[in-house]
Amino acid sequence: EPEVTQTPSHQVTQMGQEVILRCVPISNHLYFYWYRQILGQKVEFLVSFYNNEISEKSEIFDDQFSVERPDGSNFTLKIRSTKLEDSAMYFCASSQDPGQGNNEQFFGPGTRLTVL
Amino acid sequence: DQQVKQNSPSLSVQEGRISILNCDYTNSMFDYFLWYKKYPAEGPTFLISISSIKDKNEDGRFTVFLNKSAKHLSLHIVPSQPGDSAVYFCAATSLRTGANNLFFGTGTRLTVIP
Repeated sequence: EPEVTQTPSHQVTQMGQEVILRCVPISNHLYFYWYRQILGQKVEFLVSFYNNEISEKSEIFDDQFSVERPDGSNFTLKIRSTKLEDSAMYFCASSQDPGQGNNEQFFGPGTRLTVL
Repeated sequence: DQQVKQNSPSLSVQEGRISILNCDYTNSMFDYFLWYKKYPAEGPTFLISISSIKDKNEDGRFTVFLNKSAKHLSLHIVPSQPGDSAVYFCAATSLRTGANNLFFGTGTRLTVIP
């Protein structure tokens, strides 16, 4: 069964450093997403991406964040200058096309980001 | 931002009995609802969804009920099995506005006792 994959599973970085989190969405999906879950809190939407551009973003997704689909398979989240409060689980998700009347998003296993 | 609420942080049920997980929402624009199951150190796994044009959707042991007037949905698992023990998240979105981000509840930890 096709699945979303994410690398690395755990990333430790120093405050102020840049990190890139990688995702390979399900191959026939058109929409891609990043969510995060700070320990003990709910899963929060960061950004959605369609047709090589951001379609929606939350207040959390400020100028330190960026997303890219550098090739036909990878979808990346870059955090330019990490802060302590960026420590969280970051989940990538993908879906076919919400315009078809559903929005079943399939999630990857997550990357645990620890900022020291 | 409490647009989706799961007021029960935990639930324990005997194996073979019914598990009922509840979820409330406040945003009347939400028209598509999903339930996810999550094990520790894994991503959320999609279980079942329901559109606001329906009031019930069933898939095997899982049934989701939607009460639009009460802005309430529930997930029924019957019979419950020990492997169902996990955290269950309710999520909602508004397809009619073209938004596609999911709003999640805080989750309910289900423990199925053998």
